[in-house]
Amino acid sequence: DVKVTQSSRYLVKRTGEKVFLECVQDMDHENMFWYRQDPGLGLRLIYFSYDVKMKEKGDIPEGYSVSREKKERFSLILESASTNQTSMYLCASSRDTANYGYTFGSGTRLTVV
Amino acid sequence: GEDVEQSLFLSVREGDSSVINCTYTDSSSTYLYWYKQEPGAGLQLLTYIFSNMDMKQDQRLTVLLNKKDKHLSLRIADTQTGDSAIYFCAEKGTNAGKSTFGDGTTLTVKP
Repeated sequence: DVKVTQSSRYLVKRTGEKVFLECVQDMDHENMFWYRQDPGLGLRLIYFSYDVKMKEKGDIPEGYSVSREKKERFSLILESASTNQTSMYLCASSRDTANYGYTFGSGTRLTVV
Repeated sequence: GEDVEQSLFLSVREGDSSVINCTYTDSSSTYLYWYKQEPGAGLQLLTYIFSNMDMKQDQRLTVLLNKKDKHLSLRIADTQTGDSAIYFCAEKGTNAGKSTFGDGTTLTVKP
């Protein structure tokens, strides 16, 4: 069963901490994406990557960075967590053309206190 | 830019049909998708349709595409309580690999 795995289901972090959210896919997909989901705001794209060591900003990259050192792993980094980054974070992957849609992970619910 | 719009809520009785509607702006969209999100979970791809098709049927699901009006719909026949979820419409636009998502329609199925 093909899969996108997010390392944590729930996380609680303190304001100012550096936070790493990890995502691993086993489908040899070229594209990987990080979204955040908030009530009433839908899915908002933070960053995406088309290839190893490659990244592009999405719609809301401020306060975030990413790393893709290996094809199967895409990490989202909150450099200095703030309470307004409390959210559900969703990782997804797809083939390079993405014709057949995305495969999503189960999500990480992050609370910053 | 690309935009996808959906109504936010739909409530139906168990056994009825549900129809979830979506409009999009990018006339060059080649693929359109429906995803389902159950509470506390990620999104799951339900079905997709290529832009040269008008209709696609998959068991209880029927997707209709009106390319002229840029309108997509998802019909769920014999809706069950297990169909209660958020349904997202999405399009694959001109930026290869990057989809635009609607805000999701919350479907509530009452017994």
